[in-house]
Amino acid sequence: AQSVTQPDIHITVSEGASLELRCNYSYGATPYLFWYVQSPGQGLQLLLKYFSGDTLVQGIKGFEAEFKRSQSSFNLRKPSVHWSDAAEYFCAVGPNSGYALNFGKGTSLLVTP
Amino acid sequence: DADVTQTPRNRITKTGKRIMLECSQTKGHDRMYWYRQDPGLGLQLIYYSFDVKDINKGEISDGYSVSRQAQAKFSLSLESAIPNQTALYFCATSDSGTGGLNEQFFGPGTRLTVL
Repeated sequence: AQSVTQPDIHITVSEGASLELRCNYSYGATPYLFWYVQSPGQGLQLLLKYFSGDTLVQGIKGFEAEFKRSQSSFNLRKPSVHWSDAAEYFCAVGPNSGYALNFGKGTSLLVTP
Repeated sequence: DADVTQTPRNRITKTGKRIMLECSQTKGHDRMYWYRQDPGLGLQLIYYSFDVKDINKGEISDGYSVSRQAQAKFSLSLESAIPNQTALYFCATSDSGTGGLNEQFFGPGTRLTVL
C-alpha cells in the first residue's frame, strides 16, 4: 500500500536560516510527488511537483525539492527562510484511487525572528 | 475571482442535522474531489468524480454522500451529522488533460463544527 511519511510534526527555524522538510514515501511504481503549503485559514497551494526527469525540482517562493529514488524521499528545501514561510507543509504522492493524492500528515513550520 | 470556491466557509450545526457543502469551479476541470482534514492527520479522500455520471467512494465515505450537478459543481452532504465529522473540508479539482495524474487545485475550505 502506498503511504507518505513526514517525520517532523513541528519545525522551528530562525528567519534567514536554511530549511529542509523531510518526506518519505512508499509506492509500488514510479510516483508522482508534490509539496503543498497551507497558510493559516487558507486552502492548499502547490509549491512544486515531480513527475519525471531532473530529480531536482524548482518551485515557487524559492523552494526546491530533490527526488531520491534509492531513499524513497522527496525532501523540500529553502536556502533562506522568510517569516512569511510560516505555514503547514504537506507532501503528497499519487496517483491514488481516481487519480487522487495520498497526503502526509503535515509539518508545521514556525519561523522565529 | 477564485477558481475553486466553497460555500459556506464556516458552519456550526447540531447532531442529527443534514448539511450540504458546495463546491464550484471555473477551471473547466473534469475531475473533482472532496477531502477531509483533521489536525495531525493530513487530508483524507471522501469522494471523487471524473464527470457528472461517474462518482466514486474514497477511503472515508461512510456518513457522506455527494452529488455532481454539473461539471462545475460538486456537493458534499452529511445526511445526519455527528460530532466526529467536525473537520475542515476541502474541495479540489484536476484536469485529466493528457491523462494520468495532474496537480490538484484546492478551494479555501469549509470549517464544519457539529455540536
